[in-house]
Amino acid sequence: AQSVSQHNHHVILSEAASLELGCNYSYGGTVNLFWYVQYPGQHLQLLLKYFSGDPLVKGIKGFEAEFIKSKFSFNLRKPSVQWSDTAEYFCATRGGFNKFYFGSGTKLNVKP
Amino acid sequence: KAGVTQTPRYLIKTRGQQVTLSCSPISGHRSVSWYQQTPGQGLQFLFEYFSETQRNKGNFPGRFSGRQFSNSRSEMNVSTLELGDSALYLCASSFPAERENTGELFFGEGSRLTVL
Repeated sequence: AQSVSQHNHHVILSEAASLELGCNYSYGGTVNLFWYVQYPGQHLQLLLKYFSGDPLVKGIKGFEAEFIKSKFSFNLRKPSVQWSDTAEYFCATRGGFNKFYFGSGTKLNVKP
Repeated sequence: KAGVTQTPRYLIKTRGQQVTLSCSPISGHRSVSWYQQTPGQGLQFLFEYFSETQRNKGNFPGRFSGRQFSNSRSEMNVSTLELGDSALYLCASSFPAERENTGELFFGEGSRLTVL
């Protein structure tokens, strides 16, 4: 069965610091990978997604992620975080019939 | 364009009771899926419906059930509630992945269930 692991459960950064959140997936076949974000009190929304092509994917709000097949990784990055990036971030992969496998999430707290 | 709407937003039940949650997908979306979100566990897949048919089911006991209506609206039901059922239940809609290779899920704000 597919699975997704996020090893950072809670990250605390100061504004302007660089961010990298780890995500590893288990499936060895063709993968569709996603990063979702949940801001406090809001619904989950898509940050970015990867299906094929350029392994460096750019999303909204300056976020990007790199798909590294040899490492089964899809890490999320942002060069300079802002206080408004405080949220919980979920990595996910999609199985058949829209069954998504989510990681346990990483809570990011950005100090102003 | 209206987003995914879930009702009720909050509810409190006692052990042994049952609960029904409702989800109205984005217009034109025919795939509806349900997830249970708990702290530290992330999102756990419950089931997915398309054209009134359950196509996929997660590893939850039979107390968890759902259905989809002809207008794509969906309901999920939990019977004989247990304390451990306390969670945020999320509904998400999308185009079926087979139709458009996007597969992006659009989430509602969730129904927060507390079981006492």
